Amino acid sequence: SAVISQKPSRDICQRGTSLTIQCQVDSQVTMMFWYRQQPGQSLTLIATANQGSEATYESGFVIDKFPISRPNLTFSTLTVSNMSPEDSSIYLCSVEDLGDRFYGYTFGSGTRLTVV
Amino acid sequence: DQQVKQNSPSLSVQEGRISILNCDYTNSMFDYFLWYKKYPAEGPTFLISISSIKDKNEDGRFTVFLNKSAKHLSLHIVPSQPGDSAVYFCAASGSRGGSNYKLTFGKGTLLTVNP
Repeated sequence: SAVISQKPSRDICQRGTSLTIQCQVDSQVTMMFWYRQQPGQSLTLIATANQGSEATYESGFVIDKFPISRPNLTFSTLTVSNMSPEDSSIYLCSVEDLGDRFYGYTFGSGTRLTVV
Repeated sequence: DQQVKQNSPSLSVQEGRISILNCDYTNSMFDYFLWYKKYPAEGPTFLISISSIKDKNEDGRFTVFLNKSAKHLSLHIVPSQPGDSAVYFCAASGSRGGSNYKLTFGKGTLLTVNP
């Protein structure tokens, strides 16, 4: 399965600032996914990022708040803009595993964001 | 409205016994169901999946059962080991290429296996 390197692993940020999270995959993938896990909650899909096209955002998430870049088939960034304490969450990127043995997704190790 | 529900936030079992984690869903358009395990400070790790055309899938100590009529699936771990202690997430997805082709997660169940 794919191996994902996600950076930073954690950060503490001031409200009103922005943080960019990076994900690097060791193989070329068509679709990359960004999730958020708020404290005590399930993982929620923010957006799907395809190389060469605009990201597709889920209901409740907008591009101005969570701009995404996907410059090539192995890399993507998610920016959390104009942060408030409510943005304190774990953010994860994910790619689909296309092996024929199973149907599943691989996740990065996550970025634990605290906004103060 | 939560489409995937894990009603037990935690479960504690003795080493060597069976662990049964449950999951219910509401969307009949889901085609695939997956279980993920998550340790603190790590991303979720894929464990096992099942297609909606099957009712059972087994992989070593892990077995997933699907009851489509009841919209219910369960993960059985036999025998349970202390290293299995983690948060287990149930997830569901529609078919590739469809509008529902994305993972919808439950809130997770914290499994503790006591030595």
